[in-house]
Amino acid sequence: SQQGEEDPQALSIQEGENATMNCSYKTSINNLQWYRQNSGRGLVHLILIRSNEREKHSGRLRVTLDTSKKSSSLLITASRAADTASYFCATTSGYSTLTFGKGTMLLVSP
Amino acid sequence: EAGVAQSPRYKIIEKRQSVAFWCNPISGHATLYWYQQILGQGPKLLIQFQNNGVVDDSQLPKDRFSAERLKGVDSTLKIQPAKLEDSAVYLCASSSEGEWGGWTYNEQFFGPGTRLTVL
Repeated sequence: SQQGEEDPQALSIQEGENATMNCSYKTSINNLQWYRQNSGRGLVHLILIRSNEREKHSGRLRVTLDTSKKSSSLLITASRAADTASYFCATTSGYSTLTFGKGTMLLVSP
Repeated sequence: EAGVAQSPRYKIIEKRQSVAFWCNPISGHATLYWYQQILGQGPKLLIQFQNNGVVDDSQLPKDRFSAERLKGVDSTLKIQPAKLEDSAVYLCASSSEGEWGGWTYNEQFFGPGTRLTVL
């Protein structure tokens, strides 16, 4: 079964705009991770946020976590065409076992 | 550093046939995972190995799927016999254990996957 639900399912923006994706999950977690998947590079780990953290930054990525609402958001600032991909949130509640959501498809147009 | 290697990249078979996928993890990674990703969905864990032992195979359809990691390095996933609904991308991932201030975490590194089409 899939733990996370990403929202929206698809997002289309112009280069330079910001993209925000949301993830909701059902059970308590140890950490939440975001992954990117495109045909060129496969599935790539982007960022991990632990359950006791509220916000984390990595380059143009900003992740927030609200454990009271069981939700997370991924913000990509100043998007580029190369950011076009599917983005998945994945949660860990046991030792290293990841449960993925269905993903958000992001299209960034030049 | 070499990444996770998988072969073949593509496979087309007819239903009721058998198929096997191979994975070679990143050198030194003790944990190996097999995932199934159906089109339009996120990856679903099939089986997790720690060295050559199974940690979690609760979502592996054991009547037709089997996996082994005999020497604790590379691994094989087999489907016998295949069904139409097995059409998917099969992803292998590996991880090593990391620790931040008492927290244990594992960043998983994924291979390119094998795209299986069952006709």
